[in-house]
Amino acid sequence: GNSVTQMEGPVTLSEEAFLTINCTYTATGYPSLFWYVQYPGEGLQLLLKATKADDKGSNKGFEATYRKETTSFHLEKGSVQVSDSAVYFCALTLNTGFQKLVFGTGTRLLVSP
Amino acid sequence: DAMVIQNPRYQVTQFGKPVTLSCSQTLNHNVMYWYQQKSSQAPKLLFHYYDKDFNNEADTPDNFQSRRPNTSFCFLDIRSPGLGDAAMYLCATSRETPPSYEQYFGPGTRLTVT
Repeated sequence: GNSVTQMEGPVTLSEEAFLTINCTYTATGYPSLFWYVQYPGEGLQLLLKATKADDKGSNKGFEATYRKETTSFHLEKGSVQVSDSAVYFCALTLNTGFQKLVFGTGTRLLVSP
Repeated sequence: DAMVIQNPRYQVTQFGKPVTLSCSQTLNHNVMYWYQQKSSQAPKLLFHYYDKDFNNEADTPDNFQSRRPNTSFCFLDIRSPGLGDAAMYLCATSRETPPSYEQYFGPGTRLTVT
């Protein structure tokens, strides 16, 4: 089956620290990969995406590279801000036919001043 | 700005009393989704519409129904809410099914069952 595994949180960092949130996947085909962010009390927002191997998605200082050899899509940011505190979901969908978004369990990030 | 709108943001209903949540979109997307998200969990897909075609997830309880009267609107009906149905309900849209589609989410409706 298709699944996404994320590191458990919460991840607690000080402002300006380096962030990595690990995400690995299992898929029967060739998935597209996504990171969604959910701020408290809000819906999900697409943060970045990558649709094929070696693609790098980037947005708002966040980056993730689609690594087919390690089946990973780790999220990184060089210097986090308090406003980055949120829950981050890694997700995949297959590129053939209709396949629903498969989410990881989410990782809560807490950034302190 | 084009967007996905959910009303109300907070809904309180009584045990067993039918409730309807609404979603509208100005994106003109042909696919609309309803998700249930319980505390500290990932969203769980309940069903989706591709245009007028309704697609139910196999494990969605019969208590949950949906209507899509036109492209812009989609409703989630909970016929007899139980305490276990208290959750955030998220509506999402996408232009079409894969490959490489993106889903755009509304802000959610938080449902409380008393």
